[in-house]
Amino acid sequence: AQKVTQAQTEISVVEKEDVTLDCVYETRDTTYYLFWYKQPPSGELVFLIRRNSFDEQNEISGRYSWNFQKSTSSFNFTITASQVVDSAVYFCALSEASGDSNYQLIWGAGTKLIIKP
Amino acid sequence: DTGVSQNPRHKITKRGQNVTFRCDPISEHNRLYWYRQTLGQGPEFLTYFQNEAQLEKSRLLSDRFSAERPKGSFSTLEIQRTEQGDSAMYLCASSLVEDHYEQYFGPGTRLTVT
Repeated sequence: AQKVTQAQTEISVVEKEDVTLDCVYETRDTTYYLFWYKQPPSGELVFLIRRNSFDEQNEISGRYSWNFQKSTSSFNFTITASQVVDSAVYFCALSEASGDSNYQLIWGAGTKLIIKP
Repeated sequence: DTGVSQNPRHKITKRGQNVTFRCDPISEHNRLYWYRQTLGQGPEFLTYFQNEAQLEKSRLLSDRFSAERPKGSFSTLEIQRTEQGDSAMYLCASSLVEDHYEQYFGPGTRLTVT
């Protein structure tokens, strides 16, 4: 069965610190997709990134970077030089590419990130 | 493109009443999804449409819930005889069929059942 675990319920750091949000997933499929979404206080989920299971190359986008490691089934998200505007709940999600559920996103419980000025 | 929109943004209703929510997807997106999110949890899949056809419903979607997408554009989600346990954020998302992994979400409708 597929599952996404975000063990960190809440993280609080001071602005300009680097912070890493952990995501561990479980799946039996060899082909799957991993996602990160941001949910600011306004409530709208904002798509950040999608990676497929065949691409383990790490990705950097500005202050954001993602570390995908199949060996540990992890897809961690790092924010460098955090800013107050990064405060939000961040969700990791998994979608399998086969079977009956190839449209569903399986979500972690989210990590609430608080950036203090 | 204005993104996915949902109305109303907030709804307070008394237990036993019926409520209806609307979702307008991104115009060229032919897939539309409904999710429910409770406090401190990730979204839970409810149902999805491809054009006007409802292709899958979660077991979470009891018989009090019904969703439609009559012309393959906007969608409505109706909850009949609301219960306090229905209180949640109801999220709508849309995507293209060929890229259904990239779902774009609306701001949600927060339902409070008193």
